[in-house]
Amino acid sequence: DTGVSQDPRHKITKRGQNVTFRCDPISEHNRLYWYRQTLGQGPEFLTYFQNEAQLEKSRLLSDRFSAERPKGSFSTLEIQRTEQGDSAMYLCASSLGPIAVFGPGTRLTVT
Amino acid sequence: SQQGEEDPQALSIQEGENATMNCSYKTSINNLQWYRQNSGRGLVHLILIRSNEREKHSGRLRVTLDTSKKSSSLLITASRAADTASYFCAILTGNQFYFGTGTSLTVIP
Repeated sequence: DTGVSQDPRHKITKRGQNVTFRCDPISEHNRLYWYRQTLGQGPEFLTYFQNEAQLEKSRLLSDRFSAERPKGSFSTLEIQRTEQGDSAMYLCASSLGPIAVFGPGTRLTVT
Repeated sequence: SQQGEEDPQALSIQEGENATMNCSYKTSINNLQWYRQNSGRGLVHLILIRSNEREKHSGRLRVTLDTSKKSSSLLITASRAADTASYFCAILTGNQFYFGTGTSLTVIP
């Protein structure tokens, strides 16, 4: 499979718990993006990596959020002390040029 | 803030009809893209139009771009039930893709 994969596809957690999502981009893509999408809205930018360097972070990414991309391959997005407002679809995308290839997303529900 | 805004927010048509959705944006661009999203899934790239192009075709898709009006339109001809999805325009500015709120298209068989 040469697409972008995300794991898990669904996550239900209780408020206050920590969660971690994984994204495996297309192997030759050097750019990786995380987006968050709530119902009825377009994707909102969270953060961007070029290779292993995190070059940009949205102000939406509070100190409870952290993302890593060790070795410039897969990436993880961790949310600490989850809140109900964190419930959303978390999308990962990768690119080599101007076109982004998106993964299927991880749907997070915080109860 | 999001750079692209789609219009209409929702569109319902009969199978076989054409669907047109519009996108307005705020900044200068190198290119504009359209993506499709089926319910609960990731986005799929449809077409890219460069700032020096006025019209581009791909299968049943036709995209126009008017940089003077900062607007683009996506036309889907001879729609099918499988075209039911949300459609987003996207602008790559710096290191970010900016998406609008999307047009939700329903094609009734």
